[in-house]
Amino acid sequence: DGGITQSPKYLFRKEGQNVTLSCEQNLNHDAMYWYRQDPGQGLRLIYYSQIVNDFQKGDIAEGYSVSREKKESFPLTVTSAQKNPTAFYLCASSPGQGYGYTFGSGTRLTVV
Amino acid sequence: GENVEQHPSTLSVQEGDSAVIKCTYSDSASNYFPWYKQELGKGPQLIIDIRSNVGEKKDQRIAVTLNKTAKHFSLHITETQPEDSAVYFCAASTGYGGSQGNLIFGKGTKLSVKP
Repeated sequence: DGGITQSPKYLFRKEGQNVTLSCEQNLNHDAMYWYRQDPGQGLRLIYYSQIVNDFQKGDIAEGYSVSREKKESFPLTVTSAQKNPTAFYLCASSPGQGYGYTFGSGTRLTVV
Repeated sequence: GENVEQHPSTLSVQEGDSAVIKCTYSDSASNYFPWYKQELGKGPQLIIDIRSNVGEKKDQRIAVTLNKTAKHFSLHITETQPEDSAVYFCAASTGYGGSQGNLIFGKGTKLSVKP
């Protein structure tokens, strides 16, 4: 079945560490997105990529980095510069502009 | 840029009643309006969408209506069931290239259906 897979489901990070969240899709979608969701809050866009080898900052890109070397993969690195990384992270993909997104099941990141 | 406002932020209904969630958008060029349902601890799932050339769309117990003149669209859930309890997000997009084509989401409505 086609879909979008995020891993791990839960991730714990120590202060000062970088961590990478995985996002893989087999839907042949061109566009991919990363969102952050805090408890009881909406979706805030971190980064997006409309095509391989290209990506753009979203509304809250500071302290995060991404790469898009393959169409299927869009990993997100939460760097030590992100001072409040504890949140629920959602990856999504889309055939392109003007189409709905397919979301992954999310990664819950906690700083310990 | 586009701005989407969603109301109410919380909604509690009795099982069997109807629920209505409303969204307004600012960019008259927006032409695609999806609705997502997010259950606790999961990612949002697309439940219904509508494009600007259509005024209403139905899928069993859910329907979406669009008023382009007033720039608002609504989600209607009839005969609500406890499993409808979730957070619902509306969104809008122009379909243009670049950041303008990204979906802009409302802040969500937490729907509780009481048995």
